[in-house]
Amino acid sequence: SSELTQDPAVSVALGQTVRITCQGDSLRSYYASWYQQKPGQAPVLVIYGKNYRPSGIPDRFSGSNSGNTASLTITGAQAGDEADYYCKSRDGSRVVFGGGTKLTVL
Amino acid sequence: QVQLQQWGAGLLKPSETLSLTCAVYGGSFSGYYWSWVRQPPGKGLEWIGEINHRGVTNYIPSLKSRVTISLDTSKNQFSLSLSSVTAADTAVYFCARRNSGSYWGDSYYYMDAWGRGTTVTVSS
Repeated sequence: SSELTQDPAVSVALGQTVRITCQGDSLRSYYASWYQQKPGQAPVLVIYGKNYRPSGIPDRFSGSNSGNTASLTITGAQAGDEADYYCKSRDGSRVVFGGGTKLTVL
Repeated sequence: QVQLQQWGAGLLKPSETLSLTCAVYGGSFSGYYWSWVRQPPGKGLEWIGEINHRGVTNYIPSLKSRVTISLDTSKNQFSLSLSSVTAADTAVYFCARRNSGSYWGDSYYYMDAWGRGTTVTVSS
């Protein structure tokens, strides 16, 4: 299957740690990448590859991969981290996005 | 730093053809795949397809019969054409650069530059 499954919504208390997961068979073959999207804006890459952060992304964002599951962890969540998060992978020549997780920071 | 600037018609009637163009500034056009992604109102991201600097394309199967992605290397631009649009094609359309790398032989792919998005509405 080429689908990637994410929890629709997750909440975290300000300053606490939250993990957002992504499951799919394609993750056994390809690393996931993760994108943050705020309302009315284009997605922004936050994690890619084994656990790489683009320049400008805070080090409280980290990624991990195990079997068919990829995870995005935010350590010490900030109010500005409230957003939709999407995982992305490949299935052969196709690109697949997860359905997205809406993160609420309480 | 690479920047992507996109444009195109925002209001279409059913059966018309959607046409969007994305210009690449400040970076090489070769060595990457150039992608189109869309997002229907209130929904998630959907990959449409991609093209590399040699013109090799990949498309999502569900749209393959209606989609063409092309490029103009002389202008560092790539374009999306989607024919016979319906209301279901109403979405924000993004262009993006797909980059790649490898770690101990395992390849990884990521979209590290995005256009701002173009809202396309299909309505009679």
